[in-house]
Amino acid sequence: NAGVTQTPKFQVLKTGQSMTLQCAQDMNHNSMYWYRQDPGMGLRLIYYSASEGTTDKGEVPNGYNVSRLNKREFSLRLESAAPSQTSVYFCASNPLTSGGAVDNEQFFGPGTRLTVL
Amino acid sequence: RKEVEQDPGPFNVPEGATVAFNCTYSNSASQSFFWYRQDCRKEPKLLMSVYSSGNEDGRFTAQLNRASQYISLLIRDSKLSDSATYLCVVLQREAGTALIFGKGTTLSVSS
Repeated sequence: NAGVTQTPKFQVLKTGQSMTLQCAQDMNHNSMYWYRQDPGMGLRLIYYSASEGTTDKGEVPNGYNVSRLNKREFSLRLESAAPSQTSVYFCASNPLTSGGAVDNEQFFGPGTRLTVL
Repeated sequence: RKEVEQDPGPFNVPEGATVAFNCTYSNSASQSFFWYRQDCRKEPKLLMSVYSSGNEDGRFTAQLNRASQYISLLIRDSKLSDSATYLCVVLQREAGTALIFGKGTTLSVSS
């Protein structure tokens, strides 16, 4: 089990460039998430997908789009990168079903460190 | 007001010390509570869930006070390897079952 994998690990973009961050999980989890982490700000939710075929906005969705390609994969796209999007991006998953469960360990990928110049 | 608040620290303690972290949350509808640990430049990992009756895992004890909307983590006999950032985390259904993270408390244990 690789768990949650993310590519790339590092990326430098120029303002206005686009890119897609890839995330995949092999744990058969239903829910997947994208967070960004900035110094002094903690982890903030960008988008999430409660199940295959659904996506919803989180706390800071502006400037991003997502695709839940299948149960395994959840990608994050920056259409026109801005310096304010310089951050560490974490993808996560958990097995939460539509019925819900009280305790849910969320499993994180290793992160993508993005710098926008 | 941030939904989950923590003292950012840093807490600098010697090996063997006991240290306590506190956390408050603003949404009384919050349903589940956790402490995650994050090492420098690494992903967060679950340390322990927090139950209403309080729970212990080795040197770590977590407490929850729903009436005061307060969560705590106690670390006894601190080790050098405990140095990390500890994130207080709350699960809220209306947030799409996503986790709400505090900004974290940094612990540095020295010999």
